[in-house]
Amino acid sequence: DTGVSQDPRHKITKRGQNVTFRCDPISEHNRLYWYRQTLGQGPEFLTYFQNEAQLEKSRLLSDRFSAERPKGSFSTLEIQRTEQGDSAMYLCASSAASGRSSYNEQFFGPGTRLTVL
Amino acid sequence: AQTVTQSQPEMSVQEAETVTLSCTYDTSESDYYLFWYKQPPSRQMILVIRQEAYKQQNATENRFSVNFQKAAKSFSLKISDSQLGDAAMYFCALIRVGGADGLTFGKGTHLIIQP
Repeated sequence: DTGVSQDPRHKITKRGQNVTFRCDPISEHNRLYWYRQTLGQGPEFLTYFQNEAQLEKSRLLSDRFSAERPKGSFSTLEIQRTEQGDSAMYLCASSAASGRSSYNEQFFGPGTRLTVL
Repeated sequence: AQTVTQSQPEMSVQEAETVTLSCTYDTSESDYYLFWYKQPPSRQMILVIRQEAYKQQNATENRFSVNFQKAAKSFSLKISDSQLGDAAMYFCALIRVGGADGLTFGKGTHLIIQP
């Protein structure tokens, strides 16, 4: 399978616990995005990596959230001291590099559904 | 800031008929892309069609076509000959060229196909 993969697909945790999600992008895609999708809403941008560099962070990404992409391959998203409001689907997407005047399609993974009890 | 608005939470269409999903957007950028994404139940988001803002010609992909009205900031999706497999959430999205802030999505339209 050469698509974007995410692990785990589902996570149930208790409030206050830490959770970590993993995203494996399509190989050779140097751009990686994280989005959050709550029930009844469209995905909202969280953060963006080009290779290993985190170039953009949304104001939605509070101090409890941290993302990494060591070596520019897979990425992890960690949420510390989870709150019930963190319950959502966390989506990862990857794309090839775009030129200054072009855009390459983002391919989405299946998402990780987080439930905070 | 960019916004995308989808005013139809749900649409229903008979199989083989045509349906149009609406989307309006707001951006101060002159160079951007618009997209329609499909998200089937419990399945991942896939790109249906894209439109480059500098192109006046409306994009088409088989049974899917758009009506892009740049001055009105409107970007509707027409699905012809609707099929049962078209049932899904449809999201309109925008991204500015050269931007590193990801796609901006609308809230989505739930499309129901009636056999």
